[in-house]
Amino acid sequence: KQEVTQIPAALSVPEGENLVLNCSFTDSAIYNLQWFRQDPGKGLTSLLLIQSSQREQTSGRLNASLDKSSGRSTLYIAASQPGDSATYLCAVRGERGSQGNLIFGKGTKLSVKP
Amino acid sequence: SAVISQKPSRDICQRGTSLTIQCQVDSQVTMMFWYRQQPGQSLTLIATANQGSEATYESGFVIDKFPISRPNLTFSTLTVSNMSPEDSSIYLCSVEDSGGAADTQYFGPGTRLTVL
Repeated sequence: KQEVTQIPAALSVPEGENLVLNCSFTDSAIYNLQWFRQDPGKGLTSLLLIQSSQREQTSGRLNASLDKSSGRSTLYIAASQPGDSATYLCAVRGERGSQGNLIFGKGTKLSVKP
Repeated sequence: SAVISQKPSRDICQRGTSLTIQCQVDSQVTMMFWYRQQPGQSLTLIATANQGSEATYESGFVIDKFPISRPNLTFSTLTVSNMSPEDSSIYLCSVEDSGGAADTQYFGPGTRLTVL
């Protein structure tokens, strides 16, 4: 059974810092991995999606890496801003590409202090 | 990307009652998904709803407790029946992008349910 773990559960940093959020999964046979941010009352926003054949994806100040064999992904946020404060969720989809059945971690709650 | 809206955004309900949550998408989609996020927990898939057929439920979820309707390609409802405090959660509707960003999944804003 696939399990997704995110460390740390919470993180507080001063504005401007670069930071890394970690995600690990127990079954390396994944179809893809997706990072989301969750804001209260606004649901989930998709940030980056990495296919199992890819090593990383970048969007603006965000960079996500994937090491499928070791069951790890990281989300790197450069030059953090107070607007980055949110809960960041990592989710994986099984190798059969089972639509909709993303397995989520519990998230990392990020607070960026001005 | 798909834009998804949900109603209500939040509700406080009494034990034993039922609540129906609506999900509207701005484009036609084949499959819609319902997730639950209990306090402090991960999101968990409840069921997959295809237009014109019965919903498919994940292990631990049953149709009598979570009946789903899918009358057309842009709309779905999830009912939480005979509620108990354990049903207090955020319920999220989701669709998959079958167009440009393949396999990207999009979520609605969620419905925060509190059962007293």
